Amino acid sequence: AQSVAQPEDQVNVAEGNPLTVKCTYSVSGNPYLFWYVQYPNRGLQFLLKYITGDNLVKGSYGFEAEFNKSQTSFHLKKPSALVSDSALYFCALEEGAGSYQLTFGKGTKLSVIP
Amino acid sequence: NAGVTQTPKFQVLKTGQSMTLQCAQDMNHEYMSWYRQDPGMGLRLIHYSVGAGITDQGEVPNGYNVSRSTTEDFPLRLLSAAPSQTSVYFCASSRLAGGAGEQYFGPGTRLTVT
Repeated sequence: AQSVAQPEDQVNVAEGNPLTVKCTYSVSGNPYLFWYVQYPNRGLQFLLKYITGDNLVKGSYGFEAEFNKSQTSFHLKKPSALVSDSALYFCALEEGAGSYQLTFGKGTKLSVIP
Repeated sequence: NAGVTQTPKFQVLKTGQSMTLQCAQDMNHEYMSWYRQDPGMGLRLIHYSVGAGITDQGEVPNGYNVSRSTTEDFPLRLLSAAPSQTSVYFCASSRLAGGAGEQYFGPGTRLTVT
């Protein structure tokens, strides 16, 4: 069975510093991987996805993520954090083409400190 | 486009009552799904649909029914509400069913069962 792990419940970072939100996954086939962000009292918004090809994926709001097959990881990164990046971040996994089920991690709360 | 809309935004039910959460999308998306979000649990898939007339169960389907009579609408029915169904419910849609499409989420329905 496929699974997604986000090992940190909370990440604190100072404004202007680089940020990383970690995600590891387990799946039998080739995964489709996603990052979503949730602001308070809102639905989730898509940030970026990895399907195939270049391991470094760029997304919305300056975020990027690196797919590492050997480490089964898909960490979210941003070179310089903004206070407005403070939110709940979810990593999600689809088990390749023909899979209709998206599996989410438990989420990581990012707090950017002014 | 309104995107994905959900009604109601808030609902309080008594144990044993039934109700329907409404979800509609105006993007002509084939794939629609329902998730529940509980603290520390991430999002868990309840039911999904890959097109009108086609539905299937997700990870936590017990106590919920769905139907998809049109492309636009995907209501979620609680048959006999239980306190364990207290949660925030999100509907989502995607253009690509099983094809790594990004999902668009509604604003959510906060349900309390007493």
